[in-house]
Amino acid sequence: EDQVTQSPEALRLQEGESSSLNCSYTVSGLRGLFWYRQDPGKGPEFLFTLYSAGEEKEKERLKATLTKKESFLHITAPKPEDSATYLCAVRTGGYNKLIFGAGTRLAVHP
Amino acid sequence: GAGVSQSPRYKVAKRGQDVALRCDPISGHVSLFWYQQALGQGPEFLTYFQNEAQLDKSGLPSDRFFAERPEGSVSTLKIQRTQQEDSAVYLCASSLRLSGTSGNEQFFGPGTRLTVL
Repeated sequence: EDQVTQSPEALRLQEGESSSLNCSYTVSGLRGLFWYRQDPGKGPEFLFTLYSAGEEKEKERLKATLTKKESFLHITAPKPEDSATYLCAVRTGGYNKLIFGAGTRLAVHP
Repeated sequence: GAGVSQSPRYKVAKRGQDVALRCDPISGHVSLFWYQQALGQGPEFLTYFQNEAQLDKSGLPSDRFFAERPEGSVSTLKIQRTQQEDSAVYLCASSLRLSGTSGNEQFFGPGTRLTVL
């Protein structure tokens, strides 16, 4: 069965303290791994898509990487406005739906 | 530019009532998806459309749930005889296309929070 697991469930950082969020997946044929940001009371906001092991993408303080078993979202020198829930999702072979993990709740304090 | 819009944003229903949730996708997007998100969890797939065709409804939890997209644009998710366990946020997403390595990102609306009393 296709599965996505995110860790940690929650993460508290001081402003400027870099860290990484993990997304482990078990799927039958990866057709894309997606990272989203979700603020309270809002829908998920698209961040990145990764398709193959070794691929990396960056946007401001965020960098996403992909291996054959997991993806990392690296946050460099975070600011309070980076506080949100970060969701990881996979799209598998033959299916178009996204399978989401439960998310990591990130809080960045000044 | 206009993103995905959903209405109403909040809906309170008494147990047993029928509800209808609306989704307006991004103009020109072929694919439309419905997800259900429980508190503290990631979204869970309900159903998706390619234009007006409903190609996968495997995630609908029961036959009380029904979705349609008659003209290939606006979609409605209908829940009949609502139950307390239906309380959740219902998210709609659209994407330009389904296959390939570009244009298949799903863009989400703000969701409708349904509370069944």
